[in-house]
Order: sequence, then C-alpha cells, then structure tokens
Amino acid sequence: DAGVTQSPTHLIKTRGQQVTLRCSPKSGHDTVSWYQQALGQGPQFIFQYYEEEERQRGNFPDRFSGHQFPNYSSELNVNALLLGDSALYLCASSLGGRAGELFFGEGSRLTVL
Amino acid sequence: LAKTTQPISMDSYEGQEVNITCSHNNIATNDYITWYQQFPSQGPRFIIQGYKTKVTNEVASLFIPADRKSSTLSLPRVSLSDTAVYYCLVFTGFQKLVFGTGTRLLVSP
Repeated sequence: DAGVTQSPTHLIKTRGQQVTLRCSPKSGHDTVSWYQQALGQGPQFIFQYYEEEERQRGNFPDRFSGHQFPNYSSELNVNALLLGDSALYLCASSLGGRAGELFFGEGSRLTVL
Repeated sequence: LAKTTQPISMDSYEGQEVNITCSHNNIATNDYITWYQQFPSQGPRFIIQGYKTKVTNEVASLFIPADRKSSTLSLPRVSLSDTAVYYCLVFTGFQKLVFGTGTRLLVSP
C-alpha cells in the first residue's frame, strides 16, 4: 500500500523563479493538504484540496497556488520565489475532506538563493 | 480554532514512561484531540486521537479528563528512537490542522 509520495525531494531555485511540487496521496485517499515548515517551526497550513477544489486556505499570499487532478494527486505552485520561501513543503492526505488522521509525505526541501 | 499549549522541551531516559501534557482551555464541544510525532526532515506521523476519557493503541495512550481542557500523551518505556518533536492539536471534523511548535523530547541512554 503506497503511502504519500512527493517529488522532488530536494531542489534549489533562485529568487523570482517559479517552482512546482507534486504529491500523490495514499491509496484510497481523496483529500490533499499542503504545509510549509521552516526550520525549527511547526508545519503551517497552506491549503487543502478536495474534489478538485481548494476548500480551505491558510494565511499565504496568492503566489502560492495549487491544483488537484481527477486521480487525487496534487501540485503546489509558488511564483516569484522569495528567500523566505525556503522550507520543507509537506503534503498530507486524508479521506473525505476530514482533518483528523493525516498521512504525511517525506516532503520537498526547497532552497531559494 | 482552539489554541494549545505544551512544554517546549522534555528530557527522559531509556525505559522510562514519558507524559506530555497539552492545555486546550477553549476546546469546543465538537473538537477532537490528536497527537503527531515528527523526526527531523520527515513529515509528521499520526500517533493517537481521542475525544474523551482514555484511548490506547500499540504505541501510546491518551488521557483526557472530563472537562477536556487538557490532555496527556503517555509513551511507555521510551527508547532512543522516541527522540522527536510531539505536536498536540485540536480540531473539528473538516477544519485544517494547526500545528504549534510542539514539544521536543530528548531520550538519553
């Protein structure tokens, strides 16, 4: 039973560039949430996708956008990268839009230079 | 969303029982309590979830008093591999999970 998979695992970008991160949810899950985790901090909620729509959004600017595909996989896009966007980006999946038991991937480590 | 407060760090030794208490004074009637564990450079891992009284699974127990204003995660006989950050969260159904900074548990030999 495949868990949550994320790609790429590591990437380096420069300020102003754009990045796309990908996530495949755990088998049988239909909801994907994205989190940003800076060093030494807890994960911060970016947004949640369920039934191919953004259902909830955290306090992140419009530079952060996403998409969910019919197979429930998801992408996180960040435009006009800033140094402060350097973080571990985590994808979590769950079932039916519920929040309780989330299954997290290993994350994508983004470094912005 | 109910705000949670937990100790910043705790130290223990191998073989001891560790209890991490979380305060959530403004928990709502429909809120559940859930705990996650996170190792460095990995995603959080679900440990346990409860609504009231006591919940036990193969790795931990969760104690919730009648007023539900706090909860205690109990880890029996910890090992070095239990060194991690532990997050206490309160949520309702479809709400987003809001993580704090968690409790850094260090288990020493």
